[in-house]
Amino acid sequence: AQSVTQLDSHVSVSEGTPVLLRCNYSSSYSPSLFWYVQHPNKGLQLLLKYTSAATLVKGINGFEAEFKKSETSFHLTKPSAHMSDAAEYFCVVSDRNTGNQFYFGTGTSLTVIP
Amino acid sequence: NAGVMQNPRHLVRRRGQEARLRCSPMKGHSHVYWYRQLPEEGLKFMVYLQKENIIDESGMPKERFSAEFPKEGPSILRIQQVVRGDSAAYFCASSPLNRPADTQYFGPGTRLTVL
Repeated sequence: AQSVTQLDSHVSVSEGTPVLLRCNYSSSYSPSLFWYVQHPNKGLQLLLKYTSAATLVKGINGFEAEFKKSETSFHLTKPSAHMSDAAEYFCVVSDRNTGNQFYFGTGTSLTVIP
Repeated sequence: NAGVMQNPRHLVRRRGQEARLRCSPMKGHSHVYWYRQLPEEGLKFMVYLQKENIIDESGMPKERFSAEFPKEGPSILRIQQVVRGDSAAYFCASSPLNRPADTQYFGPGTRLTVL
């Protein structure tokens, strides 16, 4: 069985400060992991993905995430928040070998304070 | 290269009516997925289709919901006799290859409101 837990439903940061959005996963198999961002009333945009290569993954807009198997985590970080980063962020897990289903976390709403 | 297209973007139906949601995958993509997002929740998988085939419908409600992806034209998610609990955002995604866990590219969604 696969599942994702996003530990914080809401995160607030000041503009220019670091962002940390936490994600823990559970997977019976080798996981693929993704972070998607959803702006209000918009579709989902892929930020980054981990399949089986480097454990530190760099994505768009300065975001990155590190796959830590021992901690079953895939936390999303950014050194300096921008106002345009305010959105809903979803962590997603899928089985790398057989899975076509994506399993979504419940999302983390990021607020950026000017 | 246009992204995944969904229409309509907003759909209002009264209880008991039918809702038809359309999804055109990205050019060159032959795999389509439907997800439902209830308010304040993440997306939940409903169904995975290839052209003329339903591959995995384990997330579909047993009654009133159906999906198809014909040889020509968009994928259709059909909800018969809608109820208030069907109000949600329905997202379609597509991927290019028959490769598990490949990146799925999402459309903007259809927001269904049942009055």
